[in-house]
Amino acid sequence: RKEVEQDPGPFNVPEGATVAFNCTYSNSASQSFFWYRQDCRKEPKLLMSVYSSGNEDGRFTAQLNRASQYISLLIRDSKLSDSATYLCAVNVYSGYSTLTFGKGTMLLVSP
Amino acid sequence: GAVVSQHPSWVICKSGTSVKIECRSLDFQATTMFWYRQFPKQSLMLMATSNEGSKATYEQGVEKDKFLINHASLTLSTLTVTSAHPEDSSFYICSARGTVGTEAFFGQGTRLTVV
Repeated sequence: RKEVEQDPGPFNVPEGATVAFNCTYSNSASQSFFWYRQDCRKEPKLLMSVYSSGNEDGRFTAQLNRASQYISLLIRDSKLSDSATYLCAVNVYSGYSTLTFGKGTMLLVSP
Repeated sequence: GAVVSQHPSWVICKSGTSVKIECRSLDFQATTMFWYRQFPKQSLMLMATSNEGSKATYEQGVEKDKFLINHASLTLSTLTVTSAHPEDSSFYICSARGTVGTEAFFGQGTRLTVV
């Protein structure tokens, strides 16, 4: 099983829709979790951290489920500008601390 | 968010030459820097994790003698692609983290083309 897994998509949604992505991780010792956004041919940019109690930032909500070992990202009222690839990242310590990324989920928001 | 600067943003080099890429954290001390490679339409692939003052830890399949990583200070890490070949052409991205367990911030990436 891969360390961090995401559905590659693409998720095609109309403007205004609500869309959710999940990201599963295999290492139960994972310590911290993040969502990043990557536009085509650009570097990833931090979208939000994922806290145990959940985290909301405007139209974006991130949640963590440690029991089932997944994190989720919910986007409400999708905008055209939300079209991008969304990467989850998991911080794991296994002798040394590293940040492992999923392969990303592509979102396409259409008019 | 914190600022990470990567230079150069693009480079074209001849096969057999070496290319050095710099990654600097501009407004924080980066105890850890990560180097990734991304081929077109593919995901980020972690190449190595580098802690300041220590040898980098390379991921399986990444040749440490070909991809030399130096992290001599808390604000600078370099990746040198030695004896580059066309198959090394890719998008190389660094990221930097201040404290273990916190988020990492990315440089702008370097698009390397080996001809």
